[in-house]
Amino acid sequence: GAVVSQHPSWVICKSGTSVKIECRSLDFQATTMFWYRQFPKQSLMLMATSNEGSKATYEQGVEKDKFLINHASLTLSTLTVTSAHPEDSSFYICSAPAGATTYEQYFGPGTRLTVT
Amino acid sequence: GESVGLHLPTLSVQEGDNSIINCAYSNSASDYFIWYKQESGKGPQFIIDIRSNMDKRQGQRVTVLLNKTVKHLSLQIAATQPGDSAVYFCAETWGLGGGGNKLTFGTGTQLKVEL
Repeated sequence: GAVVSQHPSWVICKSGTSVKIECRSLDFQATTMFWYRQFPKQSLMLMATSNEGSKATYEQGVEKDKFLINHASLTLSTLTVTSAHPEDSSFYICSAPAGATTYEQYFGPGTRLTVT
Repeated sequence: GESVGLHLPTLSVQEGDNSIINCAYSNSASDYFIWYKQESGKGPQFIIDIRSNMDKRQGQRVTVLLNKTVKHLSLQIAATQPGDSAVYFCAETWGLGGGGNKLTFGTGTQLKVEL
């Protein structure tokens, strides 16, 4: 089946620095991708919808200037956490729709971000 | 919307028993539902889905039941195995279908299979 990859799988950064997370669709094109954040023992919370060639759509309460999303190609979306702080430490997961006529989404393996 | 607690509900079952995981959804307009399995440190994995025009759907060892009247969804796992230990999430969506439809996830249930 189709695969979505994420890089890196885990990252540790110092407070105040920025971190970029990549999400790739490996054998299919995705004009839309989704970014989720998941804290320990909690559910996935949608952060934003990444749109190829246009601006991302952010969910209420998500700071667009802090979580920069770029969807520069049909197979790559990036999430940059700017000026990271310890409270940004979380599991970040991306997904891509399985097709134009289905609701199913393929999920990436996630990226564990730890800010020290 | 869903409230997110600090502790996932836990369901403990004996190996070989059947498991039933429940989910209450909030949007009466939702017309498509998915169950995902998430193992520790990994992304969600698709298990089974169901459309709102159905009340039951079966897969391999899994059955999803949908009760739209009370906005309730359940996942039944037959002959539960140790490899079934994971967190299970239901997700809902609505709209014209496909592409950019957003999923809303439930709070999740931790399934623990005891030997």
